[in-house]
Amino acid sequence: SAVISQKPSRDICQRGTSLTIQCQVDSQVTMMFWYRQQPGQSLTLIATANQGSEATYESGFVIDKFPISRPNLTFSTLTVSNMSPEDSSIYLCSVGLLAGGADTQYFGPGTRLTVL
Amino acid sequence: DAKTTQPPSMDCAEGRAANLPCNHSTISGNEYVYWYRQIHSQGPQYIIHGLKNNETNEMASLIITEDRKSSTLILPHATLRDTAVYYCIDLYGNNRLAFGKGNQVVVIP
Repeated sequence: SAVISQKPSRDICQRGTSLTIQCQVDSQVTMMFWYRQQPGQSLTLIATANQGSEATYESGFVIDKFPISRPNLTFSTLTVSNMSPEDSSIYLCSVGLLAGGADTQYFGPGTRLTVL
Repeated sequence: DAKTTQPPSMDCAEGRAANLPCNHSTISGNEYVYWYRQIHSQGPQYIIHGLKNNETNEMASLIITEDRKSSTLILPHATLRDTAVYYCIDLYGNNRLAFGKGNQVVVIP
């Protein structure tokens, strides 16, 4: 597995502002992902963070709202832009590692965001 | 969208084996089945995965039917700390996980 940390662990923000969430892993990984978990809901994949190229976004998520950086193989950021109360969620990063013959994702602890 | 089906909730007795079912009738031949759990809004914790053969690790056992259309996660001796939402998941394109609603498992003393 891998040790994954996220900063901040939680934040309360005002609508219209932006927040950048950091994800750091203790080893080089090819694949990093960002998920959102809205209150009482399951996880939804936002995008795959690609090192050296633009992130690949899932349907319903756009770069202007959720810009992602992946400057190297151990670090990524997700920005939640122009926030509204509907963006209140837990944001999670994950990394993909080869384990038991298959790519397996391991998750960070999450960032709990509340937008007022 | 998730291609797996799980019961929405179940109770298990502390100290007994907990058997968590999952249907994945549309899984393709080379797709693994993954199990994760999430304890009270923490990050999901990887449990185990399998393709065709039964698998066992320090956390659980995974029994996959011969036709691969269903599987069962077995927690051999459930404890109160095993109370969590359990997700049975398969991958879709480019190693992406599609989380369904999961199975809220409550271990009862």
